[in-house]
Amino acid sequence: NAGVTQTPKFQVLKTGQSMTLQCAQDMNHEYMSWYRQDPGMGLRLIHYSVGAGITDQGEVPNGYNVSRSTTEDFPLRLLSAAPSQTSVYFCASSYGLSPNQPQHFGDGTRLSIL
Amino acid sequence: AQKITQTQPGMFVQEKEAVTLDCTYDTSDPSYGLFWYKQPSSGEMIFLIYQGSYDQQNATEGRYSLNFQKARKSANLVISASQLGDSAMYFCAMSFGNEKLTFGTGTRLTIIP
Repeated sequence: NAGVTQTPKFQVLKTGQSMTLQCAQDMNHEYMSWYRQDPGMGLRLIHYSVGAGITDQGEVPNGYNVSRSTTEDFPLRLLSAAPSQTSVYFCASSYGLSPNQPQHFGDGTRLSIL
Repeated sequence: AQKITQTQPGMFVQEKEAVTLDCTYDTSDPSYGLFWYKQPSSGEMIFLIYQGSYDQQNATEGRYSLNFQKARKSANLVISASQLGDSAMYFCAMSFGNEKLTFGTGTRLTIIP
């Protein structure tokens, strides 16, 4: 009963480095998304996907790339890490496209950019 | 544009008392969903309760209930008989037909023994 699995849980990067945050779900959910959480700002949507092969931008997409080659996986790529990207990142998934489907969240990845 | 507002940055409540966490929203879309999530100090996001914009009755889940006042655009979370384990951050969120979730800034609830 894994649900939404994020790896790694913690990561420290240097400015300019690139990395990929992994997200996998085993619930056959169509919808997946990435959020970042910063103090005093709640969660903000970075990118989302309504199914394999389909992605779209959220509220704060700059500096991040995503792809959705399978239903299960939705990796988030930081192309050139900046200190402003220091944050806690959450991946979430849910069924379909109706408003009454709660999103299931992973445990988060705490990322620090030096 | 859709917006969620949580005006209480922090609350202190005596154990066993009921607590109401405020949430107001702004949208012109007639179809939407309202959610409450709990984030304990360990960091995970836990889904608590959901209310649809067309639901006639207020949602309830155990000790949690959602006081939905559509005309006032409010969706307050009520926790009955608070427990020490209820101490956490609580986020109100709103979704629309395309399932984008918009979050409020959260309320930190502390239960006092």
